[in-house]
Amino acid sequence: RKEVEQDPGPFNVPEGATVAFNCTYSNSASQSFFWYRQDCRKEPKLLMSVYSSGNEDGRFTAQLNRASQYISLLIRDSKLSDSATYLCVGGGPGSSNTGKLIFGQGTTLQVKP
Amino acid sequence: DGGITQSPKYLFRKEGQNVTLSCEQNLNHDAMYWYRQDPGQGLRLIYYSQIVNDFQKGDIAEGYSVSREKKESFPLTVTSAQKNPTAFYLCASSNYGSSYEQYFGPGTRLTVT
Repeated sequence: RKEVEQDPGPFNVPEGATVAFNCTYSNSASQSFFWYRQDCRKEPKLLMSVYSSGNEDGRFTAQLNRASQYISLLIRDSKLSDSATYLCVGGGPGSSNTGKLIFGQGTTLQVKP
Repeated sequence: DGGITQSPKYLFRKEGQNVTLSCEQNLNHDAMYWYRQDPGQGLRLIYYSQIVNDFQKGDIAEGYSVSREKKESFPLTVTSAQKNPTAFYLCASSNYGSSYEQYFGPGTRLTVT
């Protein structure tokens, strides 16, 4: 079982739609969680951190459920420019000083006009 | 501007040759990382370094080597022992604190024929 798992998609949605991605992680010792966005043939860029209390940034909302070991990303009012691959990321196990992150394989979103 | 630079953007080599990929950061981050990304796959950790003159193997270190002689620099050498070197190589850095978000350079696309 992969340490961080995502549905690769693709998710094809019309402009203006609300879309949600889920991601599960297997290591209960993971401390830090993030969503990154990666455009085609570009580097990943940090979209937002994920906290147990939830985190909202404009049209984007991220949530962490430690009991069920999953994190989610909700995108409201999808724009064409939201088309990208979204990477779910969890902190590595062990000492909090390792700083290792485990990346999911990504979920591809295609927003259509 | 603060950031991470990688050079070159594209690199072509013949099989059997060693090649070194450059990664420099001026973010004053302690930790640096090298990842490999293959088409349709997530990021896989090659090597990481938490402090100058120290580094650890990641999940796929075979056929690669690194050095960390300066805080701002973390070059990766792809040796001839690496069986499938053609890939997109990403360098990242992070600082330790309450979270461990990583920031990526633009990547080097290596093609070995």
